[in-house]
Amino acid sequence: GAGVSQTPSNKVTEKGKYVELRCDPISGHTALYWYRQSLGQGPEFLIYFQGTGAADDSGLPNDRFFAVRPEGSVSTLKIQRTERGDSAVYLCASSSGGSFDTQYFGPGTRLTVL
Amino acid sequence: GENVEQHPSTLSVQEGDSAVIKCTYSDSASNYFPWYKQELGKGPQLIIDIRSNVGEKKDQRIAVTLNKTAKHFSLHITETQPEDSAVYFCAATGYSTLTFGKGTMLLVSP
Repeated sequence: GAGVSQTPSNKVTEKGKYVELRCDPISGHTALYWYRQSLGQGPEFLIYFQGTGAADDSGLPNDRFFAVRPEGSVSTLKIQRTERGDSAVYLCASSSGGSFDTQYFGPGTRLTVL
Repeated sequence: GENVEQHPSTLSVQEGDSAVIKCTYSDSASNYFPWYKQELGKGPQLIIDIRSNVGEKKDQRIAVTLNKTAKHFSLHITETQPEDSAVYFCAATGYSTLTFGKGTMLLVSP
């Protein structure tokens, strides 16, 4: 079956611009997660959705970052006024239930802020 | 919050040797411990996981052990092959989601 997909695979933008990153979870998975992975580091939690609502957004670094999941399926991570420090791979994962269920990751979106 | 330490950061072995990667965690409430393999340019892929109600789990050449008292868990790969070369991450459940270690780059030489 289809896994988690993310678009675009690569995004290059200029400092100060706005970007949107999209995640399509595995069909039927109610939980969706966003992580950020910097070079040489493990994935770092950003936000967790259960259905349409954000169950935990404690990992969002500041108010420039925002994510939505309006219909409980596709999610969009939005970054305003991008900074060079936002450059990283943004990973999305989904699971069939709660946070103790297996999380399946997408291939990630590599964001480069010039 | 949860803190996961992973060692070593790099591990080089000869094909056919065994490889062991160790992790410690801080939150005694954590009860789910997955291991992920990440190849260059790809997302992490689950290879094995263990829950706190068991001490060991094995799947062919891969095994994981868990010591809840000491709060550490380990990944064991036997009969390593060049295609095992990748970055491996351990993780533990924190408050509501996974906290990852910094990763181990495993290099298996033919």
